[in-house]
Amino acid sequence: DGGITQSPKYLFRKEGQNVTLSCEQNLNHDAMYWYRQDPGQGLRLIYYSQIVNDFQKGDIAEGYSVSREKKESFPLTVTSAQKNPTAFYLCASSISRADYGYTFGSGTRLTVV
Amino acid sequence: QKEVEQNSGPLSVPEGAIASLNCTYSDRGSQSFFWYRQYSGKSPELIMFIYSNGDKEDGRFTAQLNKASQYVSLLIRDSQPSDSATYLCAVVTGTASKLTFGTGTRLQVTL
Repeated sequence: DGGITQSPKYLFRKEGQNVTLSCEQNLNHDAMYWYRQDPGQGLRLIYYSQIVNDFQKGDIAEGYSVSREKKESFPLTVTSAQKNPTAFYLCASSISRADYGYTFGSGTRLTVV
Repeated sequence: QKEVEQNSGPLSVPEGAIASLNCTYSDRGSQSFFWYRQYSGKSPELIMFIYSNGDKEDGRFTAQLNKASQYVSLLIRDSQPSDSATYLCAVVTGTASKLTFGTGTRLQVTL
């Protein structure tokens, strides 16, 4: 079955740690996206990539980093510079352009302890 | 002004009634519009998309688009308790490179 797999489902981070969220898709989609969702709020774009080895900052990129070395994979690192990382993180992909819509992964819930 | 605006709700409708969810957007050049449903603690799932002015129907769902008024809506007929969720409106912005989401409308279908 084709889809997007995010792991882990739950992640706990200590102050000052970097953590990496995994996102893998087998849909043969070119574009991939990372969004953050806080309680009662909509989705805010962190980073996106339309092609391998290229990515662009979204609206809230500070404190985050990404890589796109393979078409199937788009990992997100939450660095210690991100002061308020507790949130629900969603990875999505689309065929090429966003106007075909997204398919979402199941999400990773990150909590700072 | 936010790029995509929705009333946060909750919108409460009795079972069997029509639920009407509304969304306005600021980018007059937007061409593609989506409605996602998100259950609590889960990821969004696509339920409707619309590109042209007018209505588009799919089962109990109807999406309506008015580009002149920069307005898109979602109607849910014969609402069921299982329709209780948050509904996110999303609009393609920029050079079709990404979706911008509204904050969502929480729908409650009561028995």
